[in-house]
Amino acid sequence: QSVLTQSPSASGTPGQRVTISCSGSSSDIGSNYVYWYQQFPGTAPKLLIYRNDQRPSGVPDRFSGSKSGTSASLAISGLRSEDEADYYCAAWDDTLSGRVFGGGTKLTVL
Amino acid sequence: EVQLLESGGGLIQPGGSLRLSCAASGFIFRNSAMSWVRQAPGKGLEWVSVVNGGGGITYHADSVKGRFTISRDNSKNTLFLQMNSLRADDTAVYYCARAPPGVATGTPELDYWGQGTLVTVSS
Repeated sequence: QSVLTQSPSASGTPGQRVTISCSGSSSDIGSNYVYWYQQFPGTAPKLLIYRNDQRPSGVPDRFSGSKSGTSASLAISGLRSEDEADYYCAAWDDTLSGRVFGGGTKLTVL
Repeated sequence: EVQLLESGGGLIQPGGSLRLSCAASGFIFRNSAMSWVRQAPGKGLEWVSVVNGGGGITYHADSVKGRFTISRDNSKNTLFLQMNSLRADDTAVYYCARAPPGVATGTPELDYWGQGTLVTVSS
């Protein structure tokens, strides 16, 4: 069972805006930055969002991150078929003194 | 271009040992903390171990503490994971990943990942 909670699945149609949520606690999301990773089947994860809302170079601005209290969200606007992937949130956990990941959300583009 | 290339995975019997390697290139290796992250078949990501740039500070997840040891050889730009007393639930793809230069060792920010190496623990 993951420390950070994500819905197992999400879906949307092309062009739509989709939000993926990540719920934690005061010892992880509540007091530390949140990171998001995108993973396509059979490939390594890719850093999508760092420090809550920053995009690495090359990541389209359709992807945005936010944090409020002990929850964080990844929003994808103008959804495209190539966005179909698994998305993971991550944070540092002060209690565990380690990184924690969410269980992942599988995004389907209908 | 940053490249990370893992090797050393394979089929191993329960209780056995395996040593994974990750050859790094394209960046100043000693300037980056390095991590191992694993993913069991059909499951999510699990952080395993991290080592700071100098190699003197290491952290391991509770699930592998006492069994796995992370280390690095900065003269050879190589990261290692020594895995002992392997169990069936250690079966996973093991990724090595880099933290950006200058960020804290424990950061969840991993900006480059290798392609992974599969470890299967089974009799």
